[in-house]
Amino acid sequence: EPEVTQTPSHQVTQMGQEVILRCVPISNHLYFYWYRQILGQKVEFLVSFYNNEISEKSEIFDDQFSVERPDGSNFTLKIRSTKLEDSAMYFCASSVGLAVYNEQFFGPGTRLTVL
Amino acid sequence: QKEVEQNSGPLSVPEGAIASLNCTYSDRGSQSFFWYRQYSGKSPELIMSIYSNGDKEDGRFTAQLNKASQYVSLLIRDSQPSDSATYLCAVNGASYDKVIFGPGTSLSVIP
Repeated sequence: EPEVTQTPSHQVTQMGQEVILRCVPISNHLYFYWYRQILGQKVEFLVSFYNNEISEKSEIFDDQFSVERPDGSNFTLKIRSTKLEDSAMYFCASSVGLAVYNEQFFGPGTRLTVL
Repeated sequence: QKEVEQNSGPLSVPEGAIASLNCTYSDRGSQSFFWYRQYSGKSPELIMSIYSNGDKEDGRFTAQLNKASQYVSLLIRDSQPSDSATYLCAVNGASYDKVIFGPGTSLSVIP
């Protein structure tokens, strides 16, 4: 069964450093998403991406964040200058299409630890 | 602020019983409703989606939707210890671009 994959599974970085989290969405999916989950808290939407551009972003997704689809398979989230409060699980998700029947399937996540 | 609310639990049920999980949402324009299961340290796993008022059954799971009451529920029949997890209710807004998650209900099935 096709699945979303993410690398790395765990990333440790120093505050102020840049990190890139990578995702390979399900191959026939057209919409891609990033969510995060701080330990013990709920899953929060960051950004959605379609046709090589951001379609919606949350207030969390500020100027330190960016997303890119550098090739036909990868979807990346870059955090330019990490802060302690960026420590969280970051989940990539993908869906076949927008509209009502928009079932999103999640990857296993990347645990980001900022020291 | 669009909200999705759930009882945090923990909800404990004996093995073989029916577990009932509830969710309310604030955005009347929502049209898509999802239940995800999340084991500790893992990612959300989609188990049910529902779009119309009424019941939708899939194996041991039944999702119920009442848009007038802005209420979604998930019933798990014949609960198994492997069902012990956090169950996340999620709702699409009018733009469909994102899914808004509730805080989750922790379910514990006691053997």
